Amino acid sequence: GAGVSQSPRYKVAKRGQDVALRCDPISGHVSLFWYQQALGQGPEFLTYFQNEAQLDKSGLPSDRFFAERPEGSVSTLKIQRTQQEDSAVYLCASSFTGMAETQYFGPGTRLLVL
Amino acid sequence: DAKTTQPTSMDCAEGRAANLPCNHSTISGNEYVYWYRQIHSQGPQYIIHGLKNNETNEMASLIITEDRKSSTLILPHATLRDTAVYYCIMTIIQGAQKLVFGQGTRLTINP
Repeated sequence: GAGVSQSPRYKVAKRGQDVALRCDPISGHVSLFWYQQALGQGPEFLTYFQNEAQLDKSGLPSDRFFAERPEGSVSTLKIQRTQQEDSAVYLCASSFTGMAETQYFGPGTRLLVL
Repeated sequence: DAKTTQPTSMDCAEGRAANLPCNHSTISGNEYVYWYRQIHSQGPQYIIHGLKNNETNEMASLIITEDRKSSTLILPHATLRDTAVYYCIMTIIQGAQKLVFGQGTRLTINP
């Protein structure tokens, strides 16, 4: 079956541009997570949705980062006025319920801010 | 979440068993041990998890010490495709839990 998909796979932005990263979770998965992975580091949590409700956004690094999941399926991570330090791989993961269950990750979007 | 300690890197010969250790001395009774791996340029992939009993699936075996303060992931017959960064993660049983990744162990399988 289809796994988690993310688009675009690669994004180059000029500093100051806004970007939108899309995540399509596995169909029927209630929980959706976003992670940020800097080069050579492990992924770091950004935010978590249960259906359309954003229950945890404690990992978002600044108010330039915004995530939504309006219909409880597809999610978009938006970064406004991108900075060079935003360059990273952005990973999306989903799980059936989120209750201590396996998270299934997408391939990530590699963002490069010049 | 409990902090885990893993070796930075390990090497293993193809066809041999790869044994990856993880220390989690501060683990609490309601925390699972999860293992994920990340092959270059891919998202993390679930391998196995356990609470206090040893576990085995088609990918690996997980050995958890009786005091639960450490565990070992065993890949019984490593192949070149097992070259990846392996993460040992603690996560509590109840509630949706973000995964707290450390640096992981970079495992290289040599031909």
